[in-house]
Amino acid sequence: NAGVMQNPRHLVRRRGQEARLRCSPMKGHSHVYWYRQLPEEGLKFMVYLQKENIIDESGMPKERFSAEFPKEGPSILRIQQVVRGDSAAYFCASSPQRQPGNTIYFGEGSWLTVV
Amino acid sequence: DQQVKQNSPSLSVQEGRISILNCDYTNSMFDYFLWYKKYPAEGPTFLISISSIKDKNEDGRFTVFLNKSAKHLSLHIVPSQPGDSAVYFCAASAGGNTPLVFGKGTRLSVIA
Repeated sequence: NAGVMQNPRHLVRRRGQEARLRCSPMKGHSHVYWYRQLPEEGLKFMVYLQKENIIDESGMPKERFSAEFPKEGPSILRIQQVVRGDSAAYFCASSPQRQPGNTIYFGEGSWLTVV
Repeated sequence: DQQVKQNSPSLSVQEGRISILNCDYTNSMFDYFLWYKKYPAEGPTFLISISSIKDKNEDGRFTVFLNKSAKHLSLHIVPSQPGDSAVYFCAASAGGNTPLVFGKGTRLSVIA
């Protein structure tokens, strides 16, 4: 029973390039969340998606960042024209539908370094 | 505006003793609370949770206490083991599948 799968684990991009991070939720989970952890900081919520829908993107920067969770395939977090400040660990998490409390399960993370 | 606060960035405890990690929250709509453990270069791992209808939940060496009137929860680990050394995050949810709000974490070091 595979957990949340994220790839790539490590990604290096030059300033101005695009970064694409992928996340496959746990089997049977239909809710996906993306969090970001900056150095020496906690986990900051970015976006919450269900299949083909963005439910809450209140934590997502207004420019350059986008996320999708298509009907088929993994969820993708896309960062266009990366800057040094985008360097962080990006964690994806998933949860099943309709539970009384929201326990989410994280992947191993994708570490983005912008040089 | 931090809704979930972990005021101690670090904690050092001797092996075999009790570790107490604290967490405060401000949002009265939170009704579900969780603790996650994180090792370097890995994703956070779910540890234990508690619903607002309870004031205590126990799982082996880990116990979480919730004081709703004080908007405070704590994680007790007893006895502490060197393998417990990690960063512990407190998180809270306002129900359903609403996104979890995390604290900044407390780094626990258990010294042998």
